[in-house]
Amino acid sequence: NAGVTQTPKFQVLKTGQSMTLQCAQDMNHEYMSWYRQDPGMGLRLIHYSVGAGITDQGEVPNGYNVSRSTTEDFPLRLLSAAPSQTSVYFCASSRKYSNQPQHFGDGTRLSIL
Amino acid sequence: AQKVTQAQTEISVVEKEDVTLDCVYETRDTTYYLFWYKQPPSGELVFLIRRNSFDEQNEISGRYSWNFQKSTSSFNFTITASQVVDSAVYFCALSHLNDYKLSFGAGTTVTVRA
Repeated sequence: NAGVTQTPKFQVLKTGQSMTLQCAQDMNHEYMSWYRQDPGMGLRLIHYSVGAGITDQGEVPNGYNVSRSTTEDFPLRLLSAAPSQTSVYFCASSRKYSNQPQHFGDGTRLSIL
Repeated sequence: AQKVTQAQTEISVVEKEDVTLDCVYETRDTTYYLFWYKQPPSGELVFLIRRNSFDEQNEISGRYSWNFQKSTSSFNFTITASQVVDSAVYFCALSHLNDYKLSFGAGTTVTVRA
């Protein structure tokens, strides 16, 4: 079972470049989300979606864009990369009930030079 | 506002010692859900347990046990007879009814030495 698949696993960008982090899940989960993990700060929510065509901002949305055209895919776009966006990014999915555990991808380690 | 505090940044123990991880949360809601996740050195996040706010029964799963106390807003996690494979970062998280967003604590790094 694939679960939640994130690509790429590692990426190095230059300041100002744009890129898309891919996230796909095969569990037919309605809810998907993106988090960033920084040392000493846990995971912080960037954007989330409760279904195809519906997205909303989380705690730290600035500099990121998302869309949800299908149930399976939830890409995260960095519009103009900045060194402050150097982080590990996790995509997660779950059934659309708040008591359901979220299933996480393996993460994308992103460095902005 | 909701907040999760894991005051212990790092804990180091010798194998077979018990280790307890503290988690304190803040919320104004009466219905909420608490979670623990494990992040081993390989980096993935592994779900360990979920507890509903209306169920204060403590739980034991093998060497793991959880103590949920609403009176002190705490959801502590104990590893009994720790093993090297327990070395990881452990996160406590909180969500609310009809709100899927998870609020994470900063995490506690557990190092178990042989």
